[in-house]
Amino acid sequence: DAKTTQPTSMDCAEGRAANLPCNHSTISGNEYVYWYRQIHSQGPQYIIHGLKNNETNEMASLIITEDRKSSTLILPHATLRDTAVYYCIVRVVGNQGAQKLVFGQGTRLTINP
Amino acid sequence: NAGVTQTPKFQVLKTGQSMTLQCAQDMNHNSMYWYRQDPGMGLRLIYYSASEGTTDKGEVPNGYNVSRLNKREFSLRLESAAPSQTSVYFCASTPVAGANVLTFGAGSRLTVL
Repeated sequence: DAKTTQPTSMDCAEGRAANLPCNHSTISGNEYVYWYRQIHSQGPQYIIHGLKNNETNEMASLIITEDRKSSTLILPHATLRDTAVYYCIVRVVGNQGAQKLVFGQGTRLTINP
Repeated sequence: NAGVTQTPKFQVLKTGQSMTLQCAQDMNHNSMYWYRQDPGMGLRLIYYSASEGTTDKGEVPNGYNVSRLNKREFSLRLESAAPSQTSVYFCASTPVAGANVLTFGAGSRLTVL
């Protein structure tokens, strides 16, 4: 699986857009980009995933560069409840399954009032 | 809709004691997983069950056993607890093995003295 690189920590003001980058320069053609977050002491929560097109759901938007070597998770109007560790994971679908998902250190996002 | 339910939420054990962590999901998912998370660390897979009747070792299986009791329930047993097993344990499920969108439980915090 492709390795991902994320900043260790980020800050964002409440109400502003939070843009979390992820580098996955060794991604292969059949690997998806997944984002999860973990609010303190809670279980991780799935946010969004994509292959090559930009994706949007009720939680966030995912922008994947045309060469797929990096992506950005966008929380459009960050609230204090978005303070969490955000994990970017690259993984194929089907082969070996979710048991191979690797949750690394992620980015600790702090939303400031 | 409860999702993934873990019991107990908190447990303190003495070294050498045994206990079982229970996990149940009500989403009719086929695949279930047990992870552990140590302070400041990412999640590490202990065991998984791709489908009812099957279980497989993950990254850190030593000292643990699992039982996939039925499609809904997947338990994790510590036969002789050690201080190194002090951690937060998360159960997760996904519709099928190969799908990378996991639903996690709230976690079970275990302390071994």
